[in-house]
Parts: sequence; structure tokens; C-alpha cells
Amino acid sequence: DVKVTQSSRYLVKRTGEKVFLECVQDMDHENMFWYRQDPGLGLRLIYFSYDVKMKEKGDIPEGYSVSREKKERFSLILESASTNQTSMYLCASSLGGRGGNQPQHFGDGTRLSIL
Amino acid sequence: AQSVSQHNHHVILSEAASLELGCNYSYGGTVNLFWYVQYPGQHLQLLLKYFSGDPLVKGIKGFEAEFIKSKFSFNLRKPSVQWSDTAEYFCAVKASSASKIIFGSGTRLSIRP
Repeated sequence: DVKVTQSSRYLVKRTGEKVFLECVQDMDHENMFWYRQDPGLGLRLIYFSYDVKMKEKGDIPEGYSVSREKKERFSLILESASTNQTSMYLCASSLGGRGGNQPQHFGDGTRLSIL
Repeated sequence: AQSVSQHNHHVILSEAASLELGCNYSYGGTVNLFWYVQYPGQHLQLLLKYFSGDPLVKGIKGFEAEFIKSKFSFNLRKPSVQWSDTAEYFCAVKASSASKIIFGSGTRLSIRP
């Protein structure tokens, strides 16, 4: 069965800290995605990657960066955490490369609180 | 730019009632359409998808959705809901020319036992 694993379910950090969220998939998927989920706003795409070392900005990339050194791992980095980055972060993966239309498989999410 | 609208933010139904959740999108070209569900405390999972062919698609757990191209709609239906259908439902659209999926804001469904 498909498995997307996010390193932490809950995380509490302080303003100004550099925060790393890790995501690993075991399905050999080309595409990986980072979203944040906020009540009433649905899922908003932060960054995505369709190949190793490739990345593209999503709709809300400001304050974030990503790293994809290996196909199975996609990391989200908050360079200097701020309270408005308190949110649920979801990682997803899918087959097909850039432009592929296959469904995405999601991890359980990381609820991040910035104090 | 593409957008997806889910007009119902919170729907409350009794068990055995019929369900229809609205989803409209703005894009004039070829689209792929999805409904995802997020049960309390669980990850998002795919309910059903439309790529081409029969506009009435059936998914898991008795759900179905109808693609009406002229109305830019992809509404989700279930003839008789159960308490276990309590969840948040997300419509998503991917234009064939785009590299990413756009999600709607979600509809929270509460079922009274």
C-alpha cells in the first residue's frame, strides 16, 4: 500500500527558529508536494517537485524553501518561523512527472505551532 | 487563473438523508476532476476521479459524482448518508495544461445519528 510518512505529527517551535519538516514516500513517485491546510481556506500549495533537485513555487512560497536531494524525500524549510506559519502542513506524492494527472497520496500531516 | 468553489462550508444532515455537495471550477479547457475526503484524525484520501468518458463516476463507499461540462460542475452525491460519512470533503481540479492541482476550500459534513 502507498505510504507517505511525515516525520512529526505535532511540532512546537519559537519565532525566528529555522524549522525542518520531512516527508518520505515509498512508492517511487516522481512528484512531491507541500501544502498548508487552514480552516476555511482548504489546501494551499507551497512548493512542489517533479524530479530530484527540481522545485517549483506554488501559490504561497514566501517564507518557505524546499529540498529534494533524493527521490523519496522532500523537505520543507521555514527559514525564520513566524506565528502566521502556525498551521497543518501536508505532504503528498503522485506519479507522472511534471504535468501528470494522477491522484495524490497524502501523509498524516504535521500540526506546527509557532510561539 | 484556475479556481475551484465549494459553496457549502458546513452541511449537517441526519442519517439516511441524501447528500449533494457542490463543486464549480473556472477553466475552459480539458480538466481532470477529483474528490478527496478527510475523516477526523486521518489523512486525505481519494474518493473518486474523472479523467474522461462517462461523466457519472462512482467512487468508494457509495459516493458518485457527475461532471457537467456546460456548468463547469462536479457535484458529489450519495443517496443515503451514514454517521461514518462525517468528514471534510475537498473538490480538486487539474487543467490538462497545468502542472498542479487546485483544491477547493472544503465542505465539512456532519451527520446526526
